[in-house]
Amino acid sequence: SAVISQKPSRDICQRGTSLTIQCQVDSQVTMMFWYRQQPGQSLTLIATANQGSEATYESGFVIDKFPISRPNLTFSTLTVSNMSPEDSSIYLCSVETLAGDEQFFGPGTRLTVL
Amino acid sequence: GQNIDQPTEMTATEGAIVQINCTYQTSGFNGLFWYQQHAGEAPTFLSYNVLDGLEEKGRFSSFLSRSKGYSYLLLKELQMKDSASYLCAVSPSDSNYQLIWGAGTKLIIKP
Repeated sequence: SAVISQKPSRDICQRGTSLTIQCQVDSQVTMMFWYRQQPGQSLTLIATANQGSEATYESGFVIDKFPISRPNLTFSTLTVSNMSPEDSSIYLCSVETLAGDEQFFGPGTRLTVL
Repeated sequence: GQNIDQPTEMTATEGAIVQINCTYQTSGFNGLFWYQQHAGEAPTFLSYNVLDGLEEKGRFSSFLSRSKGYSYLLLKELQMKDSASYLCAVSPSDSNYQLIWGAGTKLIIKP
């Protein structure tokens, strides 16, 4: 298994500002993912965070809006840039373990943009 | 395209049994996952099926039929704490680890 922590757990931000969310795993993992979950909806994959190279973004998500870093095998950050109220959501970090048959999720970051 | 369907909401009685169905149409298949998500919390892993048949784990069982593109999650001896959303997800490829997610089934348990 993997234990994942995220910071901050929640934040309230002003329109036009940026927020960086950190994801820390207690063991080395191959794959790290960033998801968004709107209230009452399922998970939407934003991007796959690749160690040592640029993240792979899903359709509808771009690097300028959601820059991602992954400097090593246990840590990643997601920045939500130039925020608007539509970015209000829960942002979840998840990891795929080396066994490859399960994804573990962090506790999530609840973001509210005013 | 890739698509996963599951009922939006189900209601069941404490102590009873409930079956949550999931059908999928994906470009490939490398396993199906069920996750439980309580309101305001992150999803937690319940089960993984890659071969046809039934996998039992305590009060929870998961079934897969690859030929029918169908799975179900069976919950027995329902408890109030089982009230949650249940997410079905499919791994379409063995070359990457991305999952295709269903919208989730909200399960309401009544006394």
